[in-house]
Amino acid sequence: KAGVTQTPRYLIKTRGQQVTLSCSPISGHRSVSWYQQTPGQGLQFLFEYFSETQRNKGNFPGRFSGRQFSNSRSEMNVSTLELGDSALYLCASSSDRAETQYFGPGTRLLVL
Amino acid sequence: AQSVSQHNHHVILSEAASLELGCNYSYGGTVNLFWYVQYPGQHLQLLLKYFSGDPLVKGIKGFEAEFIKSKFSFNLRKPSVQWSDTAEYFCAVTSYNTDKLIFGTGTRLQVFP
Repeated sequence: KAGVTQTPRYLIKTRGQQVTLSCSPISGHRSVSWYQQTPGQGLQFLFEYFSETQRNKGNFPGRFSGRQFSNSRSEMNVSTLELGDSALYLCASSSDRAETQYFGPGTRLLVL
Repeated sequence: AQSVSQHNHHVILSEAASLELGCNYSYGGTVNLFWYVQYPGQHLQLLLKYFSGDPLVKGIKGFEAEFIKSKFSFNLRKPSVQWSDTAEYFCAVTSYNTDKLIFGTGTRLQVFP
């Protein structure tokens, strides 16, 4: 099976802009989770979607949002970008709740 | 709140040395435990996992981990490391009914030939 894919792989934005990142899960996986990875904070959970519904949410401001489509593909959006949003954004998919999550390569976002 | 502690931030070993990376978690309920590895320039990969059953689990590339419930620990071990094991290692935990992975801060392992 193909793994989790994320697009784009790299992105440069300026403060105040918004960005949309995309994630395609492993075929048959219905759960998609998003994580932010930074050198200072490590890996932090953003949110999780299952069957187009947000099931869980981390401690991030409302500028961070996401959605999931009927084919399980997911997008996350960050509005009004701040310098501190520069990070590697990882998507992971699993077949169901509490099953093993498989990670994509990530989207590296740089905010200038 | 759940948390995961990895006490070794940076470990330097010579090839053939034995490895043990510590991981402790705080959560009173049923948990699923994972070790992920991130090789330089690559994405996070699952090394091994514990859901239930035998507390000694074996993963890929000769790694194993032991779940000790009384100590809230899930330490990673390998009897003889190789240069190719140079990577960052993350311990993670979820409660049994959620997909929210809580990660430790990671341990950077450098293995010299």
